[in-house]
Amino acid sequence: DVKVTQSSRYLVKRTGEKVFLECVQDMDHENMFWYRQDPGLGLRLIYFSYDVKMKEKGDIPEGYSVSREKKERFSLILESASTNQTSMYLCASSRHRNTEAFFGQGTRLTVV
Amino acid sequence: SQQGEEDPQALSIQEGENATMNCSYKTSINNLQWYRQNSGRGLVHLILIRSNEREKHSGRLRVTLDTSKKSSSLLITASRAADTASYFCATALNQAGTALIFGKGTTLSVSS
Repeated sequence: DVKVTQSSRYLVKRTGEKVFLECVQDMDHENMFWYRQDPGLGLRLIYFSYDVKMKEKGDIPEGYSVSREKKERFSLILESASTNQTSMYLCASSRHRNTEAFFGQGTRLTVV
Repeated sequence: SQQGEEDPQALSIQEGENATMNCSYKTSINNLQWYRQNSGRGLVHLILIRSNEREKHSGRLRVTLDTSKKSSSLLITASRAADTASYFCATALNQAGTALIFGKGTTLSVSS
């Protein structure tokens, strides 16, 4: 079974902190994604990557950056956390661009 | 850019009844996928239907796709309490450099 692992289930950070959310997949997938999920807004795409060191902006990239130095790992970085970044963050991977996506368990981030 | 919109937003039924959820989208697609999310967890892929397919079955799930109306429906037959979850449609576009776009979801409650 494909496994996508996010480093934390719950995280509490202070405003202004630099926050790293890590995601690792074990199936050699080309594509990895970061979404955030908020009540009433569904899942919104932040960034995705289709290859090592490649990244593409999604719908809401402002305030975030990403890093993909190795194929299995895709990191989401909040450069200076703000309270409006309090959300559930979901990482996913897929073998090809339009195929089934496998999700991690999510990280619920609270910025205080 | 919210490509898919599910309808209804919430649905409450009794065990044994059928549940139907609809998804409408805006631009031409490569395929459409349905996912399920149990409360506070990651999403799980249920079924994928390609743009040249009209209907697909998987166990108690039946998905239809009408590309002329840009809509899809997910039918869960003989619902169980364990089907209680949120259901999302996701569209994969034909354009390069794009990722799965999710709708806002339908919350299904099945009571025993």
